Amino acid sequence: TQLLEQSPQFLSIQEGENLTVYCNSSSVFSSLQWYRQEPGEGPVLLVTVVTGGEVKKLKRLTFQFGDARKDSSLHITAAQPGDTGLYLCAGERSRGATNKLIFGTGTLLAVQP
Amino acid sequence: DAGITQSPRHKVTETGTPVTLRCHQTENHRYMYWYRQDPGHGLRLIHYSYGVKDTDKGEVSDGYSVSRSKTEDFLLTLESATSSQTSVYFCAIRDRGKGAYNEQFFGPGTRLTVL
Repeated sequence: TQLLEQSPQFLSIQEGENLTVYCNSSSVFSSLQWYRQEPGEGPVLLVTVVTGGEVKKLKRLTFQFGDARKDSSLHITAAQPGDTGLYLCAGERSRGATNKLIFGTGTLLAVQP
Repeated sequence: DAGITQSPRHKVTETGTPVTLRCHQTENHRYMYWYRQDPGHGLRLIHYSYGVKDTDKGEVSDGYSVSRSKTEDFLLTLESATSSQTSVYFCAIRDRGKGAYNEQFFGPGTRLTVL
């Protein structure tokens, strides 16, 4: 059972465009993280959101946690070729209780120069 | 950089042979994880460890075993490799971080091909 659904699965855009990636679930998470993975490397943590409605910004990337803590979005403004990669969301169901993360299936982003 | 290394980085083996992958960390983290990554499935947890000799199963543990005899090393063994175990394997550690959330940091991965 895939508890975290990401959309879209693939996205190919031109440099300078804006985009939004979604991470949805019917379950509540105590925290949700976003990772970026480049080819041949492991995922790298970008951000952790923990409060319903929370918004965090990382340069041109804006992350939002849904009010009910069941979903999250990642918005990229003026995408650059360096943003290319696989974006993964991951959630923790209950803080500290399971010691496990549930990963979404990922969104593969290609930014063309 | 969480000081995580994985070995080997690439391995090709034949069906039925045993394979052991090693994850090594240098920062004394208590929690260590093994994941596999396959197209369309994201990252799936195989096994994890919460201390020396303390391990638990993940969602895709069948056909895999693990051992942790030292804090710094977490070994993943495929007792008799099958073609369905062809995948990229990632090791991760959990960093308690500021808020004690499960923030994980990953090694570079091992690409395993079972012929």
